[in-house]
Amino acid sequence: EVQLLESGGDLVPPGGSLRLSCATSGFTFSSSGMNWVRQAPGKGLEWVSGISISGDRTYYADSVKGRFTISRDNSEKTVFLQMNSLRADDTAIYYCAKGGVSAGVRGQGTLVTVSS
Amino acid sequence: DIQMTQSPSTLSASVGDRVTIPCRASQSISTWLAWYQQKPGKAPKLLIYKASFLESGVPSRFSASGSGTEFTLTISSLQPDDFATYYCQQYNSYPWTFGQGTKVEIK
Repeated sequence: EVQLLESGGDLVPPGGSLRLSCATSGFTFSSSGMNWVRQAPGKGLEWVSGISISGDRTYYADSVKGRFTISRDNSEKTVFLQMNSLRADDTAIYYCAKGGVSAGVRGQGTLVTVSS
Repeated sequence: DIQMTQSPSTLSASVGDRVTIPCRASQSISTWLAWYQQKPGKAPKLLIYKASFLESGVPSRFSASGSGTEFTLTISSLQPDDFATYYCQQYNSYPWTFGQGTKVEIK
């Protein structure tokens, strides 16, 4: 069974930084692209970023390009999201999502609140 | 970007009803489509991937079909636990995009 466990969410002031982690199990991590998806309070789901199997290709939503960086550690089966220059509209629950054929959000999420 | 459209935004039904929820893509996505169920205050729950494959542990009353641009999620006999919002999502290409959701409410 695919399991994704997000962590690292916190309350941070505008302009601050945060690093999210997603620990995985139940599938061959090194054979799967990975992604982050977020959901702002009362809003729908929004894809944030994706990374290829080897980590050589990364993809970002326009709303986070230049501020967020996705990375992965295949030895630790973990994907990360480094978030810099955080803004109030980045406030959301951030979910980890597996890529590939059986793609989808499967975690419980981690809450990021950007506020002074 | 590929736009995902879900209409209606709200659907009223009764326990025991057969419910179909449509989703349309603005261009062909083959079968690279997922369906989620979400209840207030909870994480989205993956129901279906690759347009018709049931996620492990999901009740068999849920099924889905479609390819190209037209997709459907079907609940064969609506149960009290099924009143929720349902989202479709394409993963044919980046950026992944989601529909706005269809809320299934009690009639």
